[in-house]
Amino acid sequence: NAGVTQTPKFQVLKTGQSMTLQCAQDMNHNSMYWYRQDPGMGLRLIYYSASEGTTDKGEVPNGYNVSRLNKREFSLRLESAAPSQTSVYFCASSAPRVTGEKLFFGSGTQLSVL
Amino acid sequence: RKEVEQDPGPFNVPEGATVAFNCTYSNSASQSFFWYRQDCRKEPKLLMSVYSSGNEDGRFTAQLNRASQYISLLIRDSKLSDSATYLCVVILNTGGFKTIFGAGTRLFVKA
Repeated sequence: NAGVTQTPKFQVLKTGQSMTLQCAQDMNHNSMYWYRQDPGMGLRLIYYSASEGTTDKGEVPNGYNVSRLNKREFSLRLESAAPSQTSVYFCASSAPRVTGEKLFFGSGTQLSVL
Repeated sequence: RKEVEQDPGPFNVPEGATVAFNCTYSNSASQSFFWYRQDCRKEPKLLMSVYSSGNEDGRFTAQLNRASQYISLLIRDSKLSDSATYLCVVILNTGGFKTIFGAGTRLFVKA
């Protein structure tokens, strides 16, 4: 079972460069999410998509854009990377009735912005 | 004040010990509660849901105290493989749903 697959696993960018993190899930889940995790802090929601065709801002959306390409795929784009975006990024999906419950996570992307 | 607070630890315990973690939340609109486990450099994985009536899964017991606004996780007969960070998660219902993660409690189980 693949579950939630995200790529790349590691990335180093220079300030101002752009990149897209890819995420796909094969569990037929309606909801998908992008989180970032920083030392000493809980995971913080960047953007989420409650269903195909919809996206909403989370707690820390500035500097990011997302695309819900179809039910399976949800990508996160950094248009102009900044050192403050150095973090570990996790994609997640869920199916239950309440958005945010019982999340299944991808294996993460370690991003460093120099 | 953080919406969800956990003691970061680390908790260092010997194999076979019983260890308990608490997590406090500040918003009374909190509706659902979970514990996740996160191994070093890995993704979080759902460990168990938390209910007011208590929830037990093998060596793990989770409790919710709505009056005092905290949840707990008890691990009995600790194994080396229990070494991980345990994340407390609260879902608020304030018109829309908001999921809040605690920063986690680190546990080291030693032989």
